Amino acid sequence: KQEVTQIPAALSVPEGENLVLNCSFTDSAIYNLQWFRQDPGKGLTSLLLIQSSQREQTSGRLNASLDKSSGRSTLYIAASQPGDSATYLCAVNSGGSNYKLTFGKGTLLTVNP
Amino acid sequence: GAGVSQTPSNKVTEKGKYVELRCDPISGHTALYWYRQSLGQGPEFLIYFQGTGAADDSGLPNDRFFAVRPEGSVSTLKIQRTERGDSAVYLCASRRQGNTGELFFGEGSRLTVL
Repeated sequence: KQEVTQIPAALSVPEGENLVLNCSFTDSAIYNLQWFRQDPGKGLTSLLLIQSSQREQTSGRLNASLDKSSGRSTLYIAASQPGDSATYLCAVNSGGSNYKLTFGKGTLLTVNP
Repeated sequence: GAGVSQTPSNKVTEKGKYVELRCDPISGHTALYWYRQSLGQGPEFLIYFQGTGAADDSGLPNDRFFAVRPEGSVSTLKIQRTERGDSAVYLCASRRQGNTGELFFGEGSRLTVL
C-alpha cells in the first residue's frame, strides 16, 4: 500500500526566503506526482504535475523535482511571499490510468512579512 | 462552468439522518472523483467514475456510502444513517479523458454530524 509522507509538517519563514518542502513515498512504481496548494477552508489548487518519466517541472517561482527510484519529490519556492502562506499537499498516482491519488498530510507554510 | 462546483458548501445534520452532496464537474471532463478530508489529514480516495459507471469504489468506507452519476456529468454522494465519524470535508475532482492526468478540485462540502 502506497504511503506518502511530507516533512516538515509546518514551516515558518520570513518573506523573501527560498524554501524546500519534502515529500517521500514508499512505492516507487508511480505513474505521476502532483503538488497542490490548499488555503484554509478551501479546495485544492493544482500547482505542478510531474510524470514518472520527468525529473522536474517549473511554474513561475515554483520548481518541483522527482526522484522516482528513491521515492522522493521536493517543491522549491523561490523568493517566498506572504501570499504563499497555505498548506502544500503532495499526491502520488500509483493507480495508472485511473489517476487514483494518495495524499500526504501536507506542510503548513507561513511566510511572515 | 469554469470550475468544479460542489453544493452545499456546508451541511450540518443530526446523527442518523440521510445526506446528499452534489458535484458538478468541469464541462467535458469524463472522469470524476470523490475524496474525503478529515481535519489535519490529506484527502482520502472514496470513488472514481469514468462516464456513468463507478470504475473504482474501493475507498468507500462501508455500505452507508453510495454515489451515482446517472448522465455522466453531475454526481451525487449519498450517506445513509450518518455517524459523527462521517464529519469531514468531501471533495470532488474531475479530469479530462486523455489529458496529462491533472485533477481539478472543487471547494468541497463540509459535513458536520452532531
